[in-house]
Amino acid sequence: DAMVIQNPRYQVTQFGKPVTLSCSQTLNHNVMYWYQQKSSQAPKLLFHYYDKDFNNEADTPDNFQSRRPNTSFCFLDIRSPGLGDAAMYLCATSKGLAVLSSYNEQFFGPGTRLTVL
Amino acid sequence: AQSVSQHNHHVILSEAASLELGCNYSYGGTVNLFWYVQYPGQHLQLLLKYFSGDPLVKGIKGFEAEFIKSKFSFNLRKPSVQWSDTAEYFCAVKPGSTNAGKSTFGDGTTLTVKP
Repeated sequence: DAMVIQNPRYQVTQFGKPVTLSCSQTLNHNVMYWYQQKSSQAPKLLFHYYDKDFNNEADTPDNFQSRRPNTSFCFLDIRSPGLGDAAMYLCATSKGLAVLSSYNEQFFGPGTRLTVL
Repeated sequence: AQSVSQHNHHVILSEAASLELGCNYSYGGTVNLFWYVQYPGQHLQLLLKYFSGDPLVKGIKGFEAEFIKSKFSFNLRKPSVQWSDTAEYFCAVKPGSTNAGKSTFGDGTTLTVKP
């Protein structure tokens, strides 16, 4: 089945130690998104890629970076994790960004829960 | 900036009761509207979506939502809930603008259905 896969499902890192979260998709979608979801809060968009075009949200901290080496994979790099970065990180994809179109529909992965010690 | 407001943080119902979860958004232009469900320990799943056309949208598992443009609302309904509907529900908005990538989610409503 076509899907969005996130590895690992659980990640523990130390304060200040760089960490990379991985997302892959078999949907061949053009757009990949990264969201941060803290406990009992809404998912918050960090950035998205449309193909190789990177779009950063204005309030995403510089500590968060992303790479998309090819259509299938997208990585979230946290350069120096702080305690406040502990959260669930969700990857999502959509076929496109066209308004009023099913291309806009997002498909979510299971998430990676990051713990910072 | 757009925002999404879900009025109820936690709703508790008995099985067979009717459900309505409120969602209001603030954005003046064209929008795409979504409801997602997140069952305990599982990932976000799309319940239903509105792009255009009939403002009454039917989704999976007996859920429906009505888009009322004049009220900037997209409330989720189900006539008779089941214990298995216990989950967190998120309303989301994607604008029809140059920033079409940006989804804004509401804070979510936790639904507990008592058997």
